[in-house]
Amino acid sequence: QLVVTQSPSASASLGASVKLTCTLSSGHVSHAIAWHQQQPKMGPRYLMKINSDGSHSKGDGIPDRFSGSGSGAERYLTISSLQPEDEADYYCQTWGTGIWVFGGGTKLTVL
Amino acid sequence: QVQVVQSGAEVKKPGASVKVSCKAAGYIFTDHPMHWVRQAPGQGLEWMGWIISVNGNTKYSSKFQGRVTITRDTSASAVYMELSGLRSEDTAVYYCARQGANDAFDVWGQGTLVTVSS
Repeated sequence: QLVVTQSPSASASLGASVKLTCTLSSGHVSHAIAWHQQQPKMGPRYLMKINSDGSHSKGDGIPDRFSGSGSGAERYLTISSLQPEDEADYYCQTWGTGIWVFGGGTKLTVL
Repeated sequence: QVQVVQSGAEVKKPGASVKVSCKAAGYIFTDHPMHWVRQAPGQGLEWMGWIISVNGNTKYSSKFQGRVTITRDTSASAVYMELSGLRSEDTAVYYCARQGANDAFDVWGQGTLVTVSS
């Protein structure tokens, strides 16, 4: 079964870096994923797609502070120089033949 | 400017149906499939289904199969999501999202709040 798993929460200090993890289920470790950001009271916004080789393609206007990578079944979203507006929920998404799934989301707190 | 704009909030009684629209602008409508995703209060994102804009083919999540219908009107560059047999658990914000050339959802609508209450 195609599933992506995320930690429910993460925190880091203003100006620091944080790395969020999305883990693909067994048998699906070569799948690409996408990251979406949802700021409080807002709709989701596409950040980037990360391929199985770790290469990534960002959405329009996404700052250079946001980067992606991958290793094995894990896909990462790294945010550097954390800003107050980065405090948000971050959702990982993957897809297969005719099915799309989301992770439960990671709530990022900027301290 | 590429965007998808949804219809406004709805309040429905249990057992009723709701139809939410999503109008695309700034790109060739038939070049991109459209998906529907919902988010219950305080919960995460849940994929409901999609439509291939060029031919109208659809596929739905098994959770919503039989209750959801997604259609499109190419002349209006619009996609519609109808959910029937509403119950209180269907109270949520419903989003449409464009599937980009790289298969990720690259453009999101602003969301439509559907409240189911007697």
